[in-house]
Amino acid sequence: NAGVTQTPKFQVLKTGQSMTLQCAQDMNHEYMSWYRQDPGMGLRLIHYSVGAGITDQGEVPNGYNVSRSTTEDFPLRLLSAAPSQTSVYFCASSWPRGSPQETQYFGPGTRLLVL
Amino acid sequence: KQEVTQIPAALSVPEGENLVLNCSFTDSAIYNLQWFRQDPGKGLTSLLLIQSSQREQTSGRLNASLDKSSGRSTLYIAASQPGDSATYLCAVYNNNDMRFGAGTRLTVKP
Repeated sequence: NAGVTQTPKFQVLKTGQSMTLQCAQDMNHEYMSWYRQDPGMGLRLIHYSVGAGITDQGEVPNGYNVSRSTTEDFPLRLLSAAPSQTSVYFCASSWPRGSPQETQYFGPGTRLLVL
Repeated sequence: KQEVTQIPAALSVPEGENLVLNCSFTDSAIYNLQWFRQDPGKGLTSLLLIQSSQREQTSGRLNASLDKSSGRSTLYIAASQPGDSATYLCAVYNNNDMRFGAGTRLTVKP
């Protein structure tokens, strides 16, 4: 198993540009999520999905869109990048769903710099 | 709104010392609490998960405790080694929502 994979590893954007951060998992997990990590702060939840075709907002959703057409993939779209979106982005999946033992598995992260 | 706090923000100890990292949370309605390790420039690795009905979990030199009523968890690391140097994050999970603390940056000096 590759686990949770993310591409690209690093990206530089200009203000106003759009891009998609890719996330994929091969563990057949229903739940997937996106977080951002900023210096001095913990990870904050952007969006999550409990299965194909179902997405919902987390703590900091503004400026980001998601979709979930398959169990494996959960891309994060920045529609019009802003310097405030400079951050490290982590994708995660979890299992077993809805159990007190539900454990999060994280990807290696994407570093995004918006100029 | 759930808030998670970790103290201290940074800790430096000599090799071989036993140490305790602290995590507190404001809402006791949680499914579980997880401790993660993050190395510089890397993703998160799960160390221990404590279910809401449990009081502690152990893995090797690591022991995590949970006191839901007081909103506290501790991560105990025995006989610390330089390879333990990393940032340790705690996170509480409930109803599709995981909230993280800002982490404790641990340095173990040889």
